[in-house]
Amino acid sequence: NAGVTQTPKFQVLKTGQSMTLQCAQDMNHNSMYWYRQDPGMGLRLIYYSASEGTTDKGEVPNGYNVSRLNKREFSLRLESAAPSQTSVYFCASRDSGGSYEQYFGPGTRLTVT
Amino acid sequence: EDKVVQSPLSLVVHEGDTVTLNCSYEVTNFRSLLWYKQEKKAPTFLFMLTSSGIEKKSGRLSSILDKKELFSILNITATQTGDSAVYLCAAAIIQGAQKLVFGQGTRLTINP
Repeated sequence: NAGVTQTPKFQVLKTGQSMTLQCAQDMNHNSMYWYRQDPGMGLRLIYYSASEGTTDKGEVPNGYNVSRLNKREFSLRLESAAPSQTSVYFCASRDSGGSYEQYFGPGTRLTVT
Repeated sequence: EDKVVQSPLSLVVHEGDTVTLNCSYEVTNFRSLLWYKQEKKAPTFLFMLTSSGIEKKSGRLSSILDKKELFSILNITATQTGDSAVYLCAAAIIQGAQKLVFGQGTRLTINP
């Protein structure tokens, strides 16, 4: 089992460019999440998908869109990248059973110049 | 506004010392408090605490939750250089769906 995988690992964009961050999990989890992590600010929730076919905004959704392609895959799109979106992005997934534990992918380090 | 605050933000100790990391929370629809360890990459799960006053232990790490005073502590005894990491706490809440609200993290450095 690979757990949660993310691509790419690193990306440099110019302001105004677009890109999609990919996330996949092989644990048959219902819920998936996208976070960003900035220095001194912990992890902040961008968007989440409680189950296949549903998505909802988190704490910092502006400038992002998401797609829950199927139960395994949850992508995050930046339509017009801005320097303020320079961050490390983590995808996570969770089983809908009793535990609230989320399992995290290795992260994507994005720099927007 | 849901808020989780950790202290201290940074801590440097010598190998063998005991450390206590603090996490306080003010959230609605609280369910559990989780601790994660983050080294270079993805956060890895340490503990989930749901009931007040019941200590959870894993080797040299232990944690406890106080739901009346709205805080949790993470203790690490006999620290080793491999304990150097950022420690994150998160409050699990239900707001439409289950979410985690994270604190800023405590960066712990263990010097040999």
